[in-house]
Amino acid sequence: EAGVAQSPRYKIIEKRQSVAFWCNPISGHATLYWYQQILGQGPKLLIQFQNNGVVDDSQLPKDRFSAERLKGVDSTLKIQPAKLEDSAVYLCASSYRENTEAFFGQGTRLTVV
Amino acid sequence: AQSVTQLDSHVSVSEGTPVLLRCNYSSSYSPSLFWYVQHPNKGLQLLLKYTSAATLVKGINGFEAEFKKSETSFHLTKPSAHMSDAAEYFCVVSDRDSWGKLQFGAGTQVVVTP
Repeated sequence: EAGVAQSPRYKIIEKRQSVAFWCNPISGHATLYWYQQILGQGPKLLIQFQNNGVVDDSQLPKDRFSAERLKGVDSTLKIQPAKLEDSAVYLCASSYRENTEAFFGQGTRLTVV
Repeated sequence: AQSVTQLDSHVSVSEGTPVLLRCNYSSSYSPSLFWYVQHPNKGLQLLLKYTSAATLVKGINGFEAEFKKSETSFHLTKPSAHMSDAAEYFCVVSDRDSWGKLQFGAGTQVVVTP
């Protein structure tokens, strides 16, 4: 079974630039999560999708972050414009449904300079 | 609202000795609980999960955890540490009131010395 795929693995951008991350979840998984993990901290949920609908985006900085999950399959997370404090690892995860174990991708390490 | 507290930010053990990582949770509904491990520059890997079946849960690599509702705890143990156990460990809670949102603890860094 293929795992959660994320790209790119690494990205370095200047502040005020824009960046996009892509995630392809495990086939058949209805729930998709985007997490932000700042160095030395636990992952923080940014947004959770159930199929192609948003069920939780309470911690997403909506003035600069956006995410979509078209057709309930893969997803894109965008930051525009980026700030220095956005430097983190962005993790995508998927689960068969809510309340079951999530499977994580390798993450995208973003450095904003 | 759900929350997770990992009581130790760092744990240092000698190889071959027991490991104990402590986790307390708060949940307004019957929770699902998980332990994940993160090795340096690697993705998060599920160690074990509790989903309202047996309270003593066995996971991969010799780890196990016990769900204690009266103490709202879900501590992770391993009888004998191996050098490969050096990593960051996260306790995670999820409940139906929060749409299955996975709430992570701050993590416990485990160091294993020879």
